[in-house]
Amino acid sequence: GAVVSQHPSWVICKSGTSVKIECRSLDFQATTMFWYRQFPKQSLMLMATSNEGSKATYEQGVEKDKFLINHASLTLSTLTVTSAHPEDSSFYICSAPQARNSPLHFGNGTRLTVT
Amino acid sequence: AQKVTQAQTEISVVEKEDVTLDCVYETRDTTYYLFWYKQPPSGELVFLIRRNSFDEQNEISGRYSWNFQKSTSSFNFTITASQVVDSAVYFCALSEARTGGFKTIFGAGTRLFVKA
Repeated sequence: GAVVSQHPSWVICKSGTSVKIECRSLDFQATTMFWYRQFPKQSLMLMATSNEGSKATYEQGVEKDKFLINHASLTLSTLTVTSAHPEDSSFYICSAPQARNSPLHFGNGTRLTVT
Repeated sequence: AQKVTQAQTEISVVEKEDVTLDCVYETRDTTYYLFWYKQPPSGELVFLIRRNSFDEQNEISGRYSWNFQKSTSSFNFTITASQVVDSAVYFCALSEARTGGFKTIFGAGTRLFVKA
């Protein structure tokens, strides 16, 4: 079945540094990928839609300059958390559908801790 | 605007009990898709079911069943004879055709505890 690979699975960084998270579709092409954020014991909050070859679409309240998204190929989207702060600590999950209206395939998530 | 409400924050049952997880949705689209996902303690999200707005037929898959009722905008999920391995957070989700059918919004989730 379709697999989405997310890397790294966890990362600890210091305040002020940037962290890049990769999301790859392993056996299908994903023109669209989604980045979600999940706080402990809360739901998945859609941050942005990553579009291959064009700019990402951010949800209201999500800082574009802080969460940089690049979707340079049909199998890779990256999320870079710039100048990370402790409040950015969270579980970040990427996902991709194989087709319109199909279920999302999720990566295993990246747990980011900013100290 | 699209919205998914899972009013039950946590449910605790004893093994072999049946349990129903409620999901109510809001959408202005006539064409939309509903999903249920499971998130076990390990964190990964597991797809359980997808239902489109034109298919109100209920579905059963083993111990799992789903009741879709457009009249009440509900898509409830029942686990029959629950097991400890069913302990997880369950999310109901919605995507609308007018967003290209891609964008998926999640409910707050229901945390299910099944005790032995």
